[in-house]
Amino acid sequence: LAKTTQPISMDSYEGQEVNITCSHNNIATNDYITWYQQFPSQGPRFIIQGYKTKVTNEVASLFIPADRKSSTLSLPRVSLSDTAVYYCLVGAPHNQGGKLIFGQGTELSVKP
Amino acid sequence: SAVISQKPSRDICQRGTSLTIQCQVDSQVTMMFWYRQQPGQSLTLIATANQGSEATYESGFVIDKFPISRPNLTFSTLTVSNMSPEDSSIYLCSSLIRDRGNYEQFFGPGTRLTVL
Repeated sequence: LAKTTQPISMDSYEGQEVNITCSHNNIATNDYITWYQQFPSQGPRFIIQGYKTKVTNEVASLFIPADRKSSTLSLPRVSLSDTAVYYCLVGAPHNQGGKLIFGQGTELSVKP
Repeated sequence: SAVISQKPSRDICQRGTSLTIQCQVDSQVTMMFWYRQQPGQSLTLIATANQGSEATYESGFVIDKFPISRPNLTFSTLTVSNMSPEDSSIYLCSSLIRDRGNYEQFFGPGTRLTVL
């Protein structure tokens, strides 16, 4: 399972766009990139998943360059409720028994 | 998607006792997982629980300490045996589901365990 590196913490203000970058230099061909969000006292929640290029859903966008050695989670116009820990995970859940290995995550703090 | 519930939501236990945590999924799932999350830390995978076979434990976790049952496709239990204060943590279960083309893990709300 590919190791990931992401910033430990980030600060932002309401209404700003937040970009969190994750490095995964040893990503394998079959690996997907998945981001989860965790609020205090809750289990992690799936945000977005991608394999290459760009993926967008109703809450975020995921940008993956051609070499796939990094990825960027983009949160448009954050609000106070986006304050949470964001985890970047790399793996092939359909091939490796669904295991998720969590790194340290990025603690995002959104201020008024 | 899936809705996952856990019982109990929290408990305070004495050293040397055992606690069984229940995890219920609202649909049939093949793969279920148990994680531990210590305060201020990330999640650590304890084991994978698949129905019809013994659980697969990650390095550092053993069956004698964390026995797991998976009697059917919607239910699993994790027992924390012979507890010590170091076992104080949040324990979460999850299941892997393919939803709208994505492979997602859905997590329960967690069980907050305090060992005195």
